[in-house]
Amino acid sequence: DAGVTQSPTHLIKTRGQQVTLRCSPKSGHDTVSWYQQALGQGPQFIFQYYEEEERQRGNFPDRFSGHQFPNYSSELNVNALLLGDSALYLCASSLFPYEQYFGPGTRLTVT
Amino acid sequence: AQRVTQPEKLLSVFKGAPVELKCNYSYSGSPELFWYVQYSRQRLQLLLRHISRESIKGFTADLNKGETSFHLKKPFAQEEDSAMYYCALSGPRTGTASKLTFGTGTRLQVTL
Repeated sequence: DAGVTQSPTHLIKTRGQQVTLRCSPKSGHDTVSWYQQALGQGPQFIFQYYEEEERQRGNFPDRFSGHQFPNYSSELNVNALLLGDSALYLCASSLFPYEQYFGPGTRLTVT
Repeated sequence: AQRVTQPEKLLSVFKGAPVELKCNYSYSGSPELFWYVQYSRQRLQLLLRHISRESIKGFTADLNKGETSFHLKKPFAQEEDSAMYYCALSGPRTGTASKLTFGTGTRLQVTL
């Protein structure tokens, strides 16, 4: 089991563009959470998907949206990119009530 | 609102010296507390959680509800302990995993 995988590793986008990040959970996990980690900060919770529905959401604008597929993989979409969206985006998967396992992250740079 | 505070950005200690990484939290209710660690070029991973009361790699952490603290301790630091440490909390367990609220992290540097 490769654990949680994320793609792509790095991404460079221009302001105003849209981006899609992908996450495959650890085998056996059914819940996916997304976090944004800005430089020098701890991860901040964006939202969580379970049974293909958004279950919890952090303090992020509607420009941030997601999806979970029947195979439990997930996508994070960000529209109308701003310079401030530049960050490391982390995906974590879990199977209640056990711990969350994190992926390596996708580094997004907005120019 | 829930909040986690790690007052030190960097903690530098000598090998063999005791280590204490500070973590204070704010939460209305009974949170679950965690310590996550990120070694160089590796992903974030769980070090320990207060409900399991385990000692992992020689590290322990005691939840002090009166002081709302969850400090991470190790009696003798090793070079391989050098890493970024994040304190995190989540709300009570429900039918799915609760969101994690992280502190800003403390970089532990163990020198010879």
